[in-house]
Amino acid sequence: SAVISQKPSRDICQRGTSLTIQCQVDSQVTMMFWYRQQPGQSLTLIATANQGSEATYESGFVIDKFPISRPNLTFSTLTVSNMSPEDSSIYLCSVLGGAIYGYTFGSGTRLTVV
Amino acid sequence: KQEVTQIPAALSVPEGENLVLNCSFTDSAIYNLQWFRQDPGKGLTSLLLIQSSQREQTSGRLNASLDKSSGRSTLYIAASQPGDSATYLCAVRPDAGGTSYGKLTFGQGTILTVHP
Repeated sequence: SAVISQKPSRDICQRGTSLTIQCQVDSQVTMMFWYRQQPGQSLTLIATANQGSEATYESGFVIDKFPISRPNLTFSTLTVSNMSPEDSSIYLCSVLGGAIYGYTFGSGTRLTVV
Repeated sequence: KQEVTQIPAALSVPEGENLVLNCSFTDSAIYNLQWFRQDPGKGLTSLLLIQSSQREQTSGRLNASLDKSSGRSTLYIAASQPGDSATYLCAVRPDAGGTSYGKLTFGQGTILTVHP
C-alpha cells in the first residue's frame, strides 16, 4: 500500500497566521483527501484534491480558509489560513491505496492555535 | 446520509481478555468497511479492510466481521495486551461512483485501555 509522509507533525501558531501542511506519497495517486479531527471528535472530510483541477470542498469548508494545492500526482498541500483557536485540530491527508488496501493516512499534523 | 455509530465509546479491560468492538451503519450500500487504530495525537493505521462481499477478515489477533444487510461490523481482539491501548475507528466507503466516491464516513471511535 502507499506510504505517506506528512509534515509538520505538530505546530503551535499565533492566531491570525497561516500554516501549510504537506503530504508526499511514494506512488502516483489520482485523488488525495484532507481531513480534520477536532479534539475528542472523529474525522471530518475537508476536501478532495485532484491533480490538475480545483479541489472539491465539503459543506462547511471554503477555499479561502483552506486553500489546497495539487501540483502533481504525488504531492499536495493544505493551508489553514487566518487561524483562530477553533482551528486547533489534527489534520490528516489520505489516499486510496487500491481496492485491496483501502485508505492510507498520513501521520497527522497536530495544530494548536494560541 | 450515512451515519456510523460505535459502541462502546470507551472500554477498559485487564490484560489477556478477549474483547469485541461494535460498529453499525445506517446505509447498507457500502463498498467496503475499514477498521483503523489511532494512537493519541497521531494518524490512523489501517487494521483490516472488509469488502462488501466478504463476511470476515483476520490479521493476527484481530478478526473483523461484516453483516452488510443488518449494517453491522465487529472487531474482535484476542488476548488483549497493553500495547493494544488506542482509539479504534471504523469507517465505511460508499458504493463506487457518483459524488460520494471516496468519502469515508467515520464512527466516533472506541477508546480502549488494556491495563496490566
